[in-house]
Amino acid sequence: NAGVTQTPKFQVLKTGQSMTLQCAQDMNHNSMYWYRQDPGMGLRLIYYSASEGTTDKGEVPNGYNVSRLNKREFSLRLESAAPSQTSVYFCASAATENTGELFFGEGSRLTVL
Amino acid sequence: GQSLEQPSEVTAVEGAIVQINCTYQTSGFYGLSWYQQHDGGAPTFLSYNALDGLEETGRFSSFLSRSDSYGYLLLQELQMKDSASYFCAVSWGGSTLGRLYFGRGTQLTVWP
Repeated sequence: NAGVTQTPKFQVLKTGQSMTLQCAQDMNHNSMYWYRQDPGMGLRLIYYSASEGTTDKGEVPNGYNVSRLNKREFSLRLESAAPSQTSVYFCASAATENTGELFFGEGSRLTVL
Repeated sequence: GQSLEQPSEVTAVEGAIVQINCTYQTSGFYGLSWYQQHDGGAPTFLSYNALDGLEETGRFSSFLSRSDSYGYLLLQELQMKDSASYFCAVSWGGSTLGRLYFGRGTQLTVWP
């Protein structure tokens, strides 16, 4: 039972470097999400994809780009990393029927120096 | 826009009952979800209310009042393993979940 898989789990970057966080789900879900979590801030929505080929901005999209490569995969790209992007990033997916439930990956811990 | 308010911390002893409140302001509200997160782990889904009333799942119950823009999570027969952060989240979806926005979380500490 893989569920939602994120890679890498840990990453250290220097300011200005770029990187892509990968996310894949094997539950045949249509909707996929990227959140970031900072201490005391809860989970903040970066981008959301309702279906393959569509993406929408969330609360904090600046500095990020996403690609919904196919139904399974949703990647998050930092083009020029900044220290303010140091965070834990969670990918999630949701089934077509609205049950209020997101299925989360284990998180990717990113540090930007 | 949307905003959610929940207490930052709650403490209780084993065996007790604790209620975590959540008030929200959001246009296009559809439903209220609750999630649990242990330190360093992924959030896990607990419950969902789209209609007014109480939903019960084992030791956990969740309540929603749409007219008051208010909900709560009730945890009964507390156990040490219930020590975690609890998040309420509002959704804008309909037949599909849509965007889900989270509160800042309530840290629950259960003492022996």
